[in-house]
Amino acid sequence: GEQVEQRPPHLSVREGDSAIIICTYTDSATAYFSWYKQEAGAGLQLLMSVLSNVDRKEEQGLTVLLNKKDKRLSLNLTAAHPGDSAVYFCAVSNMGYKLTFGTGTSLLVDP
Amino acid sequence: EAAVTQSPRNKVTVTGGNVTLSCRQTNSHNYMYWYRQDTGHGLRLIHYSYGAGNLQIGDVPDGYKATRTTQEDFFLLLELASPSQTSLYFCASSDVAGNSDYTFGSGTRLLVI
Repeated sequence: GEQVEQRPPHLSVREGDSAIIICTYTDSATAYFSWYKQEAGAGLQLLMSVLSNVDRKEEQGLTVLLNKKDKRLSLNLTAAHPGDSAVYFCAVSNMGYKLTFGTGTSLLVDP
Repeated sequence: EAAVTQSPRNKVTVTGGNVTLSCRQTNSHNYMYWYRQDTGHGLRLIHYSYGAGNLQIGDVPDGYKATRTTQEDFFLLLELASPSQTSLYFCASSDVAGNSDYTFGSGTRLLVI
């Protein structure tokens, strides 16, 4: 079955710096890619999703890049601020019955 | 506003105890899911359902039952709770399976002592 590795597990950046989180997946049939944010004590909130026909998507300071050749998905927070401090998860699917989640990245943005 | 509501927020039970976690969605979604979240494992799928009366087995179903009584309501049952089931449980809903955006509840933290 699909295996998703996410790195780094912990990331600390200064306010205004960029933060990059990477996921790699194993199933070449993977066709749906998403990123979720989990704030302390809360559920997961969808940030952005893309299908496999999209290589790059930007929204509100977030950039998702998809490299299908290398089976790599990345999330770039271009100018992080303290409110971005949270745990981030990638989640992918081969259009089947479920999402497979990464193990999470705990991001801390220092003011 | 469309939402997924879980109850209780926190629960403590003893080993061998009986626990029911509740989830209600107002999204008119077909699919509902139960996940557990543990450090180092991310989210793992326990059970899911694509409609009232339907139940599908996920990746880590052992020790768990689930029931979808209505389009809105999905329950997770631990009939003989064990300390290994201490975890953070999330319910989610989606319009279609796997390739659509999920809406998550706020989670239930369960401690089995």
